[in-house]
Amino acid sequence: DAGVTQSPTHLIKTRGQHVTLRCSPISGHKSVSWYQQVLGQGPQFIFQYYEKEERGRGNFPDRFSARQFPNYSSELNVNALLLGDSALYLCASSSRTFGSGANVLTFGAGSRLTVL
Amino acid sequence: QKEVEQNSGPLSVPEGAIASLNCTYSDRGSQSFFWYRQYSGKSPELIMFIYSNGDKEDGRFTAQLNKASQYVSLLIRDSQPSDSATYLCALPGGGTSYGKLTFGQGTILTVHP
Repeated sequence: DAGVTQSPTHLIKTRGQHVTLRCSPISGHKSVSWYQQVLGQGPQFIFQYYEKEERGRGNFPDRFSARQFPNYSSELNVNALLLGDSALYLCASSSRTFGSGANVLTFGAGSRLTVL
Repeated sequence: QKEVEQNSGPLSVPEGAIASLNCTYSDRGSQSFFWYRQYSGKSPELIMFIYSNGDKEDGRFTAQLNKASQYVSLLIRDSQPSDSATYLCALPGGGTSYGKLTFGQGTILTVHP
């Protein structure tokens, strides 16, 4: 079975541009979460989607947005890129249903974004 | 706001030794805890999760949870060079954000031959 797949793996953008990152969860997983990991720090939660609805949002500006599609894949969009947005963006999926308690996340390989 | 603090690193141990990684948390209501391992340039992978006070063992790994003192630790016995990685402690966000994990900053472990 394929794990969590993310694309692109690497990309370089310039300040002010827009970026779209994509994620396909493990087959059967309905929950997708997005994380930002800056070098030397732990991942920081950005969004969680379950059944195409936003279930959680981290402390990120409105330049960050996401959505989930009927096939449970997801996109993370970042507008007006800043140098500080350079990071590894991780997508994670889970099979847990809503409200069922602690949740085991499986991460994709990530998309490494460099903003120049 | 849940906070997770990990012991400062980096941590260096000789091959065959026990590596001890520690994590403290601020939310007394936290019920479960996760340890992830992240190799350089790779994504985090789950090593263990623990819900109950006491120890949980899985091969060379033992997770220890002390809710009264609000700390969780990971012991790696017979450390191998392949264990060299960043170890991340995490707890779930709870509520409607059950897909949210709050991570510590990570501890870099180096196991030298």
